[in-house]
Amino acid sequence: DGGITQSPKYLFRKEGQNVTLSCEQNLNHDAMYWYRQDPGQGLRLIYYSQIVNDFQKGDIAEGYSVSREKKESFPLTVTSAQKNPTAFYLCASSIRQGEKLFFGSGTQLSVL
Amino acid sequence: GQNIDQPTEMTATEGAIVQINCTYQTSGFNGLFWYQQHAGEAPTFLSYNVLDGLEEKGRFSSFLSRSKGYSYLLLKELQMKDSASYLCAVRDLNAGKSTFGDGTTLTVKP
Repeated sequence: DGGITQSPKYLFRKEGQNVTLSCEQNLNHDAMYWYRQDPGQGLRLIYYSQIVNDFQKGDIAEGYSVSREKKESFPLTVTSAQKNPTAFYLCASSIRQGEKLFFGSGTQLSVL
Repeated sequence: GQNIDQPTEMTATEGAIVQINCTYQTSGFNGLFWYQQHAGEAPTFLSYNVLDGLEEKGRFSSFLSRSKGYSYLLLKELQMKDSASYLCAVRDLNAGKSTFGDGTTLTVKP
């Protein structure tokens, strides 16, 4: 079955540590996105990518980095510069940029 | 930029009808999405409106008025499983990405 796989489901970060969240899709979608969701709030866009080897900053990119070396993969690194990383992170993809989103099951990141 | 407003919470009774409103102010509009999100899960697509009017899909319908910057999601014959958050998202004209509202948490009671 086609879909989006995020891993891990739960992740803990120590002070000063960088952590990477995985996102893989086999839907053959061109566009991929990373959103952050805080309790009781909507989704805020971190980064998005329209095609391989290209990505743009979203509304809250500071403290995060991404890469898009393969069409299927769009990993997100939460760096030590992100001072408030605790949140639910959602990866999504769409056939083309701006189309309806298909989401992964999310990663809950917490700080130790 | 985008400014999107939705009520924070709503409560309704099983079997009833509920309307969830979304108002937006945007510098460029290219469509509006509604997504459903159950607690702790990923959002799933419900509907998309780009032209004015009502789109019906089973128990769920979505309406758009571009001149008023207004949309609503109508849920009929409510079921307990409809208890979830409903997210309104506006598609940006230029960048092609979507900006989400904070969502409306709907609680369906017996």
